[in-house]
Amino acid sequence: DIQMTQSPSSLSASVGDRVTITCRANQGINSYLAWFQQKPGKAPKSLIHGASSLQSGVPSKFIGSGYGRDFTLTISSLQPEDFATYYCQQYNSYPWTFGQGTRLEIK
Amino acid sequence: QVQLVQSAAEVEKPGASVRVSCKASGYTFTSHGISWVRQAPGQGLEWMGWISSYNGNTKNAQKFQGRLTMTTDTSTSTAYMELRSLRSDDTAVYYCARELGVGNSIDIWGQGTLVTVSS
Repeated sequence: DIQMTQSPSSLSASVGDRVTITCRANQGINSYLAWFQQKPGKAPKSLIHGASSLQSGVPSKFIGSGYGRDFTLTISSLQPEDFATYYCQQYNSYPWTFGQGTRLEIK
Repeated sequence: QVQLVQSAAEVEKPGASVRVSCKASGYTFTSHGISWVRQAPGQGLEWMGWISSYNGNTKNAQKFQGRLTMTTDTSTSTAYMELRSLRSDDTAVYYCARELGVGNSIDIWGQGTLVTVSS
């Protein structure tokens, strides 16, 4: 199975900041990488697929990049609604696997 | 609008089985596969398996081999996930999720179904 490792596991930031979350695969996954946002008690929301393509309706403040093993999610101009847990997920090969999550908290 | 509506919460005893349903609307059901993902309390997301809504082909994580059955009913646009021989560590919220396109990731999620396994 492909292992996905996110860093950091948690992150404190202020409204208006820009933050970057990293996701690394233990083998190459081309661009088959997705990002999800989850708020407490809610279903995940899909943000990005194909490493950098925004899902429909997702604002351009979310930027995904990377290829192969190393990927990043950058969120600019943080707003209160952006504070949540973020997960990366590879779909290059079965079984699909998720990173452990990055909790983004308000400083 | 496109949505997936899941069945209500369930409480089951260890050793029992549970079946969760996921009714799709707002799109052509057979054009998108369905994945099942679960989340134990306070934990991360765990992919369980995928089913093609077109031909019923399935893929599943090895840890659920022999316990997990995924099916679809195209006449009602509904996907089902059955998990057997339940254990306490199967207590989790179970999500169905739509595949964006063939070979692609998830775009739409159901609201989740809490399954509690307790004696």
